[in-house]
Amino acid sequence: SAVISQKPSRDICQRGTSLTIQCQVDSQVTMMFWYRQQPGQSLTLIATANQGSEATYESGFVIDKFPISRPNLTFSTLTVSNMSPEDSSIYLCSVEAAGNTDTQYFGPGTRLTVL
Amino acid sequence: AQTVTQSQPEMSVQEAETVTLSCTYDTSENNYYLFWYKQPPSRQMILVIRQEAYKQQNATENRFSVNFQKAAKSFSLKISDSQLGDTAMYFCAFMKSRHHSGGSNYKLTFGKGTLLTVNP
Repeated sequence: SAVISQKPSRDICQRGTSLTIQCQVDSQVTMMFWYRQQPGQSLTLIATANQGSEATYESGFVIDKFPISRPNLTFSTLTVSNMSPEDSSIYLCSVEAAGNTDTQYFGPGTRLTVL
Repeated sequence: AQTVTQSQPEMSVQEAETVTLSCTYDTSENNYYLFWYKQPPSRQMILVIRQEAYKQQNATENRFSVNFQKAAKSFSLKISDSQLGDTAMYFCAFMKSRHHSGGSNYKLTFGKGTLLTVNP
């Protein structure tokens, strides 16, 4: 499976500010995904990021709040904009396994606390 | 829409014993995948096991095995010889097969999770 890293691993931010989370993969992957895990909850898909195209957002998530970049086949960023305490969550990126479609592997996650 | 239900919020087991975690799901799809992921306190989501719905044989990965009952829409995880390192939140997840259904739906639908504690 691919080795996935995320930066930062955790952060504490003030209300109204923005945070950009980075996801780096050690191999080229077609599909990257961003999930949110609110405290004590399960994971919810925010968006799917293809290289060279606009991200596809799930219902309830909008580009203005969660802009995503995918500049190449090994890297993606998720920005959480104009944060409020309700945005306090773990944010995880995942990638589809090469040659083994329909299986996703996850990064270590970014724990975000908004005060 | 697909739903995944894990009816056991918490479970505990003694080290070296066997435990079974339950998962049921609801879908109108015929071709799909089911997964178990574990999330230890480090919060890393780790793939434990994967089952293809069109395969009747239950998937096995070392001490981890599943009991897949397609007609009953049940997908339980059995952990044998439980170890302290198995302590984690376990999530059952569903994904529609893109190869059979087409489209671009990569969405994993997760259950709410079962917190498993392995006691020494």
